[in-house]
Amino acid sequence: SQTIHQWPATLVQPVGSPLSLECTVEGTSNPNLYWYRQAAGRGLQLLFYSVGIGQISSEVPQNLSASRPQDRQFILSSKKLLLSDSGFYLCAWSRPAKANYGYTFGSGTRLTVV
Amino acid sequence: GENVEQHPSTLSVQEGDSAVIKCTYSDSASNYFPWYKQELGKGPQLIIDIRSNVGEKKDQRIAVTLNKTAKHFSLHITETQPEDSAVYFCAARTGRLSGSARQLTFGSGTQLTVLP
Repeated sequence: SQTIHQWPATLVQPVGSPLSLECTVEGTSNPNLYWYRQAAGRGLQLLFYSVGIGQISSEVPQNLSASRPQDRQFILSSKKLLLSDSGFYLCAWSRPAKANYGYTFGSGTRLTVV
Repeated sequence: GENVEQHPSTLSVQEGDSAVIKCTYSDSASNYFPWYKQELGKGPQLIIDIRSNVGEKKDQRIAVTLNKTAKHFSLHITETQPEDSAVYFCAARTGRLSGSARQLTFGSGTQLTVLP
């Protein structure tokens, strides 16, 4: 069966510090991978998605970047965090494009920038 | 692109009553409609989905209906229980070959509170 791992679960970082959130998927190959952010009490904002190694699409220009160094690894980064980067970050995966399936989400990372 | 609207944004019901959450979509080529439940501090979990060749699907106390002509779909929860309290998201996936990731478009979410 497929599983998705996301860590850390919570993170408190000072303004201006770097960020690295990691997401890995097990039990499948060539998944589509997604990073979402959820502000308190708000909906799901798509940040990045990837259909393959090294292929990253950005939905919203911002202080964050994403990388996919391996088939089942997706990393969200920032060189200098802003207060506005606080939120709940979710990684998700789905089967490749031709299949008609939903997403499976990770357990999320609560990021607080202070 | 696809646009999904979800109503209401908040919903309170008494335990044992039914809850209905409605979504509309804009792309007539959308053919897959999942519903997610997000408990506090957790990631959304798929609870039920429906494909465009089906009008209704049930799973115990949960059902989803789809009206392709009107381009809307609804989540129905019967005999609600306190553990049903959560945020619910609808989503739609287009069948168009527009972009290789075939992204889901999510609604804005409904906070359901079941009062004991």
